[in-house]
Amino acid sequence: KNQVEQSPQSLIILEGKNCTLQCNYTVSPFSNLRWYKQDTGRGPVSLTIMTFSENTKSNGRYTATLDADTKQSSLHITASQLSDSASYICVVSATGTYKYIFGTGTRLKVLA
Amino acid sequence: NAGVTQTPKFQVLKTGQSMTLQCAQDMNHEYMSWYRQDPGMGLRLIHYSVGAGITDQGEVPNGYNVSRSTTEDFPLRLLSAAPSQTSVYFCASSSGVGGIQYFGAGTRLSVL
Repeated sequence: KNQVEQSPQSLIILEGKNCTLQCNYTVSPFSNLRWYKQDTGRGPVSLTIMTFSENTKSNGRYTATLDADTKQSSLHITASQLSDSASYICVVSATGTYKYIFGTGTRLKVLA
Repeated sequence: NAGVTQTPKFQVLKTGQSMTLQCAQDMNHEYMSWYRQDPGMGLRLIHYSVGAGITDQGEVPNGYNVSRSTTEDFPLRLLSAAPSQTSVYFCASSSGVGGIQYFGAGTRLSVL
């Protein structure tokens, strides 16, 4: 069964610190992996999209990595800010389909 | 540029009532989709469309109906609302299967 699992479920860090969120997937055949940021009460917003051949993709202070062999991805947030407090969702799609498999997200809280 | 617009933002229904959730995009995207988001679960695909006149079922289609008469609009109809349909509903659009998905702000629906 196609699945996307994220860890940790929640995370609290101090402003200015770095953190790394994890995503493991079993979706096959793999097409692409996306990371989204979802603020409370808002729709998800795309951060990065990576295909099979891409190992790293950055978007400002957000850097996503992909290991297609182990089917793992991570999202690294550098020098966190209060505005980074949100849920971060990993999404994977399979080749030949318009369907996306969503993880349950990691809820990040950044404290001053 | 409005992006993806969903209406209404909030709705309360009684069991058995019907209603239509509206979704419109102004980016000329071919691919549109409806998701529901429930606590502790990832977004789940209800229905999707790859162009005007073409729709297909997602993971949880029962109790919902869609049509796509224009590129811009993709309404979701609840035929006979049930308490199990209490959820937050998101509409999304993208230029294609590999493109960035843009989400609306969501419709928060309660069925009593």
